[in-house]
Amino acid sequence: AQSVAQPEDQVNVAEGNPLTVKCTYSVSGNPYLFWYVQYPNRGLQFLLKYITGDNLVKGSYGFEAEFNKSQTSFHLKKPSALVSDSALYFCAVSERTSNTGKLIFGQGTTLQVKP
Amino acid sequence: DAGVIQSPRHEVTEMGQEVTLRCKPISGHNSLFWYRQTMMRGLELLIYFNNNVPIDDSGMPEDRFSAKMPNASFSTLKIQPSEPRDSAVYFCASRSQETQYFGPGTRLLVL
Repeated sequence: AQSVAQPEDQVNVAEGNPLTVKCTYSVSGNPYLFWYVQYPNRGLQFLLKYITGDNLVKGSYGFEAEFNKSQTSFHLKKPSALVSDSALYFCAVSERTSNTGKLIFGQGTTLQVKP
Repeated sequence: DAGVIQSPRHEVTEMGQEVTLRCKPISGHNSLFWYRQTMMRGLELLIYFNNNVPIDDSGMPEDRFSAKMPNASFSTLKIQPSEPRDSAVYFCASRSQETQYFGPGTRLLVL
């Protein structure tokens, strides 16, 4: 069955430190990969995506993600965390071979950045 | 572009009442998705449309839920009759190429 796993319910980091939010997936073929962020009482905002090409993808707000095909992972990273990065982060995948655009979401990881 | 627009942003109703949620997708996007988000079940896909046609409604919880997309710029999600367990945040998203863009959501509380 197709699935996306975010193994950490919460990640705590100090401001200024690097952060990593983990994501692994189990999807047939070579999927499209996404990260979304949700601030309190807001909708999901698109951060970045991997379609093809360079395995390191850069997105909004200084975030980046690294696609690792052998480990079927797409971890979200940022070199220096800000308190304002505190939010709920979702990893998602969609099948490249399907034209539906249907997304499979992970359960979400709460990022807490402390001053 | 204003992004995906949803209305109302908040809805409080009593059990048994009909609730209609509205969505205006981003102009030019030909796919539209309805999601529900709760603490217990996370983010669930309810139904999605391609070119105004419902493609997969397997996520719709039961017959009390229905969705329509009469044209490319408007969709509704209706719950009739509503129940307290329908309380959730309902999101609409529209898609351009590979990427879905989400609206701000409707927070529904059924008393």
